[in-house]
Order: sequence, then structure tokens, then C-alpha cells
Amino acid sequence: QLQLQESGPGLVKPSETLSLTCTVSGDSISSSTEYWGWIRQPPGKRLEWVGSVYYSGSTYYNPSLKSRVTISVDTPKNQFSLNLRSVTAADTAVYYCARHWGYCGSTTCHPGYFQHWGQGTLVTVSS
Amino acid sequence: DFVMTQSPDSLAVSLGERATINCKSSQSVFYSPNNKNYLAWYQQKPRQPPKLLIYWASTRESGVPDRFSGSGSGTDFTLTISSLQAEDVAIYYCQQYVSSPPTFGGGTKVEIK
Repeated sequence: QLQLQESGPGLVKPSETLSLTCTVSGDSISSSTEYWGWIRQPPGKRLEWVGSVYYSGSTYYNPSLKSRVTISVDTPKNQFSLNLRSVTAADTAVYYCARHWGYCGSTTCHPGYFQHWGQGTLVTVSS
Repeated sequence: DFVMTQSPDSLAVSLGERATINCKSSQSVFYSPNNKNYLAWYQQKPRQPPKLLIYWASTRESGVPDRFSGSGSGTDFTLTISSLQAEDVAIYYCQQYVSSPPTFGGGTKVEIK
């Protein structure tokens, strides 16, 4: 049974880097044909896709966050991680990791629907 | 980015009655080469992550009760709960994935009348 579990600090200071890890069990990131992504939900706001990674290490980011985001995969540990730099209060949100279907066009790949989600972790940006 | 607009923001329905949620996309999510609408629906209960209910606008995810159905094409879509059960109290979101970044609607809260 696939399970995803987010971990990381619940409080981050403004201008610092938010770092989260998603540990996957019940599936191998390196053998999966699916994608692994991060979605966030600020309090009272809609869900926002942050970015995704394929097991090969190929990454896809939301243009609105691309300059501050890095997502990486650690296949031996069966984990993938999110780093979001220079955070502000606007980055306060519940962060979810998820496994999702994706598809590729002629030049790049795109996230599709999100099938399996972690429970989420609240990250607050505050001094 | 595609803007997804849901209506109503909330609705209260009696147990056993029909609930209808609408989702409108700012641009068509229909992709003609494969004749598919790139539209998904999710259910989120309090303190839980979203759960995928429907993808390709009308395909139910495995294990989802058949009282949930999706319809529509192009820019206008509907999620219908044919006979509302107590466990269906939740917020429902639509999401388009025809264009990156994928974007979500603002949610519709379903309650028991």
C-alpha cells in the first residue's frame, strides 16, 4: 500500500530556506513510471502546484515559484525533497507531497492528476 | 494560467438528495487529438489531504462510490453526488491539467441541510 509522509521544520524564518522531505513506502521511486510532486495550500486559499520530479531527476516547476524552488530525488532512500528559498509569510501553507500521473509533449513534460497524497505538513514562516 | 472558477462556494443538501457542483475553466481543457477533457475532481475532508475522485472529467478513480459522477466538456464541468451521504461532507475541488501549471478551483463546501 503506497504511503507518503512529509517531514521537516514546522517553522521557518523569513528570508531563510524551507526544506521538506517526502518518504515513500509501498512503491519504489526509481521503478515508478509516475511523477512525484509537491502541492501547497495556504490558509483559506486554493491548492497550488509547486513542482514535480521524475525518478530520472528531471524536474518541472510552477513558473511562479521557479526562481526559488529546487526539487530533488534520493532513490536509495526512496525520498524526494523540496527546497524553497527566500521565504516570506506568503509561503505559509500546508505542504503535501504526492504521486501523480504526468505526460510529455514535444519539448517538456506536464503534471496531470494527483492520485496519492501525503497527510501534509504545516509550515509557518515567521520570525 | 488557466483560472478555474467553482460555484457555488457552498451548498447544503438533505441526506439522500442530489448535490451538484460546477466548475468553469477560463480556457478549454479539451484536447482534440485524444478527445479527452483534462479535468479532475477531488474531495477534501477536514484535516485530511485531498482525495482524487474523478479524472478525464468523468472517469471514477478506483474505489470511489458510483454516486459520484463527473460530466461536461470544454470549459464547463459538473460533479454530481446523486444521493448525499453523511460521509460526503467535505470541500470539493476541480483541477485542470491540460496546461502547465495545473490549477485548482477555489473549492465548494458541501454540508448537510
